[in-house]
Amino acid sequence: NAGVTQTPKFRVLKTGQSMTLLCAQDMNHEYMYWYRQDPGMGLRLIHYSVGEGTTAKGEVPDGYNVSRLKKQNFLLGLESAAPSQTSVYFCASSKTSQRVETQYFGPGTRLLVL
Amino acid sequence: DAKTTQPPSMDCAEGRAANLPCNHSTISGNEYVYWYRQIHSQGPQYIIHGLKNNETNEMASLIITEDRKSSTLILPHATLRDTAVYYCIVKDAGGTSYGKLTFGQGTILTVHP
Repeated sequence: NAGVTQTPKFRVLKTGQSMTLLCAQDMNHEYMYWYRQDPGMGLRLIHYSVGEGTTAKGEVPDGYNVSRLKKQNFLLGLESAAPSQTSVYFCASSKTSQRVETQYFGPGTRLLVL
Repeated sequence: DAKTTQPPSMDCAEGRAANLPCNHSTISGNEYVYWYRQIHSQGPQYIIHGLKNNETNEMASLIITEDRKSSTLILPHATLRDTAVYYCIVKDAGGTSYGKLTFGQGTILTVHP
């Protein structure tokens, strides 16, 4: 199993450009999450999904959109990138059958917005 | 979810036990204590979790005080590869917070040769 993978690993954008970050998991997990991590900070939840076709807002959702068209994929979109969105983005997934949740994280996408 | 307090940094000699404390004085009865770690530039990695009893797995041991207001993560024989930021997280097992892990600043553990 590859676990959780993220594409791309690194990207540079200009202010106002758009892009989509892809997260894929091969563990048949129902729940998927997008976090961002700024330098010297802990992770903050952007959006999450409890199943195919569903999404919900997390702690810092403004400026981002998400879609979960397939169970194994969770897409994070930036419609008009801003320098404040420069960050490292982590995707994670977890089972629903567990009463206690363990999240599995991807390697991260480093985004620089100029 | 209850708030946690951890020391910002700790040092440990290679081969010795690393004991990382966490205070969670407002923890409620249905909230679990989770530990994750993040090695530089990588995604966080689950270590261990517990509710009331002490727990042990292949990575670490978790000691939770009887009143559940604090806990200690123990890495029995720390190696250089254990150098990382360690996060103590408290959350319940269901309800509206299901799935939402709240990461604080964590403890930077540095293991020295």
